[in-house]
Amino acid sequence: EAGVAQSPRYKIIEKRQSVAFWCNPISGHATLYWYQQILGQGPKLLIQFQNNGVVDDSQLPKDRFSAERLKGVDSTLKIQPAKLEDSAVYLCASSLGGMLGQFFGPGTRLTVL
Amino acid sequence: GNSVTQMEGPVTLSEEAFLTINCTYTATGYPSLFWYVQYPGEGLQLLLKATKADDKGSNKGFEATYRKETTSFHLEKGSVQVSDSAVYFCALSFQGGSEKLVFGKGTKLTVNP
Repeated sequence: EAGVAQSPRYKIIEKRQSVAFWCNPISGHATLYWYQQILGQGPKLLIQFQNNGVVDDSQLPKDRFSAERLKGVDSTLKIQPAKLEDSAVYLCASSLGGMLGQFFGPGTRLTVL
Repeated sequence: GNSVTQMEGPVTLSEEAFLTINCTYTATGYPSLFWYVQYPGEGLQLLLKATKADDKGSNKGFEATYRKETTSFHLEKGSVQVSDSAVYFCALSFQGGSEKLVFGKGTKLTVNP
């Protein structure tokens, strides 16, 4: 069974530029999460989707971050414009729900210069 | 709010030494508890979990017991190997609703031969 796929793996941009990340969850997983992991910290949830609806986006900086999950499968996370403090690893995870656990992708490491 | 506190790292051990990584939590209600592991260059993987008080999660020689009275979920292994070198994250989640994971900051473990 294929795992959670993310691309790109690495991205370097300058501040005020835009960037987008892509995630393809495990087939059949209805729930998809985006986490931000700043160096030296644990991951923090940015947004959670159930199929193509948003369940929780309370910690998403909506003035610059946006995310969508069209057709309830793939998802994209966008930052526009980026700030220096957005440098982090962006993790995508998916789950079937319940306490079966979340499965994480390899992450996208973003560096904002 | 809900939070997880892990012991400060890094932790350096010799092969076959005993490992304990402390984890305590603060939560409104009774969460499920998890340990995730992140090997170098890889994504987060679920190591073990416990869903109610006094449950013991175990996997790959690692164990952790859900202690409600001390709000703790300490990770232990009797004899570590070089291949156990990784970053370990303690996390909590509530069944139903968002089910988002709230992570600790992580503890880096290095095992020397």
